[in-house]
Amino acid sequence: NAGVTQTPKFRILKIGQSMTLQCAQDMNHNYMYWYRQDPGMGLKLIYYSVGAGITDKGEVPNGYNVSRSTTEDFPLRLELAAPSQTSVYFCASTSNPGTGGSTNEKLFFGSGTQLSVL
Amino acid sequence: AQSVTQLDSQVPVFEEAPVELRCNYSSSVSVYLFWYVQYPNQGLQLLLKYLSGSTLVKGINGFEAEFNKSQTSFHLRKPSVHISDTAEYFCAVSLNTGGFKTIFGAGTRLFVKA
Repeated sequence: NAGVTQTPKFRILKIGQSMTLQCAQDMNHNYMYWYRQDPGMGLKLIYYSVGAGITDKGEVPNGYNVSRSTTEDFPLRLELAAPSQTSVYFCASTSNPGTGGSTNEKLFFGSGTQLSVL
Repeated sequence: AQSVTQLDSQVPVFEEAPVELRCNYSSSVSVYLFWYVQYPNQGLQLLLKYLSGSTLVKGINGFEAEFNKSQTSFHLRKPSVHISDTAEYFCAVSLNTGGFKTIFGAGTRLFVKA
C-alpha cells in the first residue's frame, strides 16, 4: 500500500505565486488533514475534511484553501504565497475516529512537502 | 479550548539510560492521547495511544506512557534508550467534536549520546 502520498517533496516559490500541494491516500479514509510544521512550534492544523465535499478550518487557515471532491484526494492551495508560509507541510488521514479500533484514531502521515517562499 | 504542553524542548541522555518526556494537556472534554515520533526527514509515526481502560499504555520500540487524569499528564518513558531513539517526539490530543481534530504539542527533541 502506498498510504499517504504527497507531491512535490520540495518547492521554492516567489512571493505572490500560487501553487497546489497534492495529497492522496489509498486507504479509503474519510478523515484527512493538512498540517504545517515550524521549528519549535510543533504541528499546526490548517484545514481538515471529514469526507468528500466537507471541509473545515483548523488553527491556522489564513492564506490557504482546500477542496475534497473525492475520498482519495485532498489538495491544499496557496493563492498568494508569502514568506510566512515557508514551512514543512504534512498531509494525514485516519479512519473511523472515536470507535476505538486497533488502527482507528491513528493518523497516517505523508512524507511532507518542504516549501520555501522567497 | 484544548492545548498540549510539552515541558522540555530538548532532552539529552546517554545511551542505556532511562528517559521521561513530559506532556500535559488541558481540555474540558474527554480526549484521546497519543505520542508520535518523527525521525529526520520523515513524517510522523504513532508510538502509542490511550483511548480508555488501563492507564499504562505500551507502544512500539519499548516505549510506554501513563495517563494521569488528575494531573492531566501523559508522560512518555523508556527504561533504556538507544542511539536509534534519537528523534523528535510529539504529544497529541484528539477530541471528537464533529471533526476529530488532533492537536499537537511543540515537540521534544531526544538526543541520545554514546
